[in-house]
Amino acid sequence: DQQVKQNSPSLSVQEGRISILNCDYTNSMFDYFLWYKKYPAEGPTFLISISSIKDKNEDGRFTVFLNKSAKHLSLHIVPSQPGDSAVYFCAGTSGTYKYIFGTGTRLKVLA
Amino acid sequence: DTAVSQTPKYLVTQMGNDKSIKCEQNLGHDTMYWYKQDSKKFLKIMFSYNNKELIINETVPNRFSPKSPDKAHLNLHINSLELGDSAVYFCASSQTSGGISGELFFGEGSRLTVL
Repeated sequence: DQQVKQNSPSLSVQEGRISILNCDYTNSMFDYFLWYKKYPAEGPTFLISISSIKDKNEDGRFTVFLNKSAKHLSLHIVPSQPGDSAVYFCAGTSGTYKYIFGTGTRLKVLA
Repeated sequence: DTAVSQTPKYLVTQMGNDKSIKCEQNLGHDTMYWYKQDSKKFLKIMFSYNNKELIINETVPNRFSPKSPDKAHLNLHINSLELGDSAVYFCASSQTSGGISGELFFGEGSRLTVL
């Protein structure tokens, strides 16, 4: 049962443009969502999070939007930079130590 | 100074062998985890320990035995290795506050190849 889905395995964007990464979830008990970034041969690193009581959280170039009724969240990166090229994972949790991850989206930012 | 460190980073072994992966965190966190990333790139939780107590055991075969000697360490021992155990194993830690666990900090991963 895949509770968190990232349906786009890959995405290519021109440098300077907006990157939009999408994530859908099925578990209505999730109350906290996180985005992680992963470079090859490294562990995932935390990027940004959002609580289910909010619909938007912004941190510099990164903004996460949450649509609870649609069980959908998205990560916007503006402007995209070549160093943003990585695999992005979204994860949800109901605060019980159990983080459920999606399968990731590989972002490639073209210079 | 690495926050979450795992050893070894690479491990190649034969079927049937027993191997261990060690993990240490210097963040002062109270919760540690083992995740497995298989060939399909799913990051699946295996175990979670809070203050040395096992709190999550996700239907992992009992050939896998985690051990947490203290809050800063969580080791993973695997008996009778099988081909399907080939994966990247990630250790992670987090700090709990008010019963809510914060974001995970991951180690670099340990790539296990079973031949």
